[in-house]
Amino acid sequence: GAVVSQHPSWVICKSGTSVKIECRSLDFQATTMFWYRQFPKQSLMLMATSNEGSKATYEQGVEKDKFLINHASLTLSTLTVTSAHPEDSSFYICSARRDTNTEAFFGQGTRLTVV
Amino acid sequence: GENVEQHPSTLSVQEGDSAVIKCTYSDSASNYFPWYKQELGKRPQLIIDIRSNVGEKKDQRIAVTLNKTAKHFSLHITETQPEDSAVYFCAASRSYGNKLVFGAGTILRVKS
Repeated sequence: GAVVSQHPSWVICKSGTSVKIECRSLDFQATTMFWYRQFPKQSLMLMATSNEGSKATYEQGVEKDKFLINHASLTLSTLTVTSAHPEDSSFYICSARRDTNTEAFFGQGTRLTVV
Repeated sequence: GENVEQHPSTLSVQEGDSAVIKCTYSDSASNYFPWYKQELGKRPQLIIDIRSNVGEKKDQRIAVTLNKTAKHFSLHITETQPEDSAVYFCAASRSYGNKLVFGAGTILRVKS
């Protein structure tokens, strides 16, 4: 089956620092990856759509300069939370799909805690 | 944009009983409706999905119904078991594999 892996699974960082989260498709090439954020006891909210080789498309209200997304290869997308603050603490989940009209598979998520 | 509403927010049932979770959506262009089960701290798991050209789909104890005219869809779990306890999310998308708009989630507790 299709496997999507995120790294790290959890991270604690100091306020003001930047954190990079990786999303990898392990056994398929992903033309598109989606990044979601989930606050405690809340739903998943789409942050951005990332297509390999092009700039990410951000959802309304998501600051593109704060949440930097890079999809430089068909198996890797990264989300960098810049100048993190406690309110950025959340569960960040990616999903990846091979092509249009194919299933998008979720990564296991990354728990970010900013102290 | 799309808006998905989900009810109830919590649902407690006795083991063996049925559970029903309902969602409504706003975007008439949505035509793919998956349901996910999420355990604490884990990734969402796709449990069943339905596309707009189908009114009902069943997989063992789980079924989903879709009323495209009314823009609502429901998840039905029969013969519930304690291991069904989790958070369930409905979602809507304009196409299979596309970005998803999620409902707020339903905490299902199955009491033994």
